[in-house]
Amino acid sequence: GAVVSQHPSWVICKSGTSVKIECRSLDFQATTMFWYRQFPKQSLMLMATSNEGSKATYEQGVEKDKFLINHASLTLSTLTVTSAHPEDSSFYICSGEGLAFYEQYFGPGTRLTVT
Amino acid sequence: SQQGEEDPQALSIQEGENATMNCSYKTSINNLQWYRQNSGRGLVHLILIRSNEREKHSGRLRVTLDTSKKSSSLLITASRAADTASYFCATALQGAQKLVFGQGTRLTINP
Repeated sequence: GAVVSQHPSWVICKSGTSVKIECRSLDFQATTMFWYRQFPKQSLMLMATSNEGSKATYEQGVEKDKFLINHASLTLSTLTVTSAHPEDSSFYICSGEGLAFYEQYFGPGTRLTVT
Repeated sequence: SQQGEEDPQALSIQEGENATMNCSYKTSINNLQWYRQNSGRGLVHLILIRSNEREKHSGRLRVTLDTSKKSSSLLITASRAADTASYFCATALQGAQKLVFGQGTRLTINP
């Protein structure tokens, strides 16, 4: 099956700093990638949809200036959490859309802790 | 906002028993998918059922879909301790790329 990796798998940063999370599709090209956030014991909430070579589409309530998404190639999307605060601490999961529409392959997630 | 509502929120059963989880949704869908998530890990895709399908099987998994009631169920037969995880339904809305996840069911299999 299609494999998506994320890096780092966990990161601790200080309040006010920025953190970049990478999402790579290893054995397929993902024109579209999705970024989700998951708080403890809760479900996944879609943050944004990222299409290669164009601006990301953010869900309502997600600050695009705070969560910068770049999808510069068909195998790499990055999420940068700018000026991170403790309330940004969460589990961030990306997925890449496969050849079949509606088929998403999920990465293992990145746990962000902001102190 | 969440499209799917799942029940129960938590389920604890003995190993060997069957586990049933339900998912309801609000709008028309293209397909409905079930995922498993072990604690602190990524999602594992279990099964996809299209809107024109009523039932699908995969190993010990059986999924049903009732579009008239906008609901789906996931049955895990002969449960094992390794099935302990959270299970999420996700709906692919008609005309939209994105998936919308339900709240999830936390399943615990007691040995």
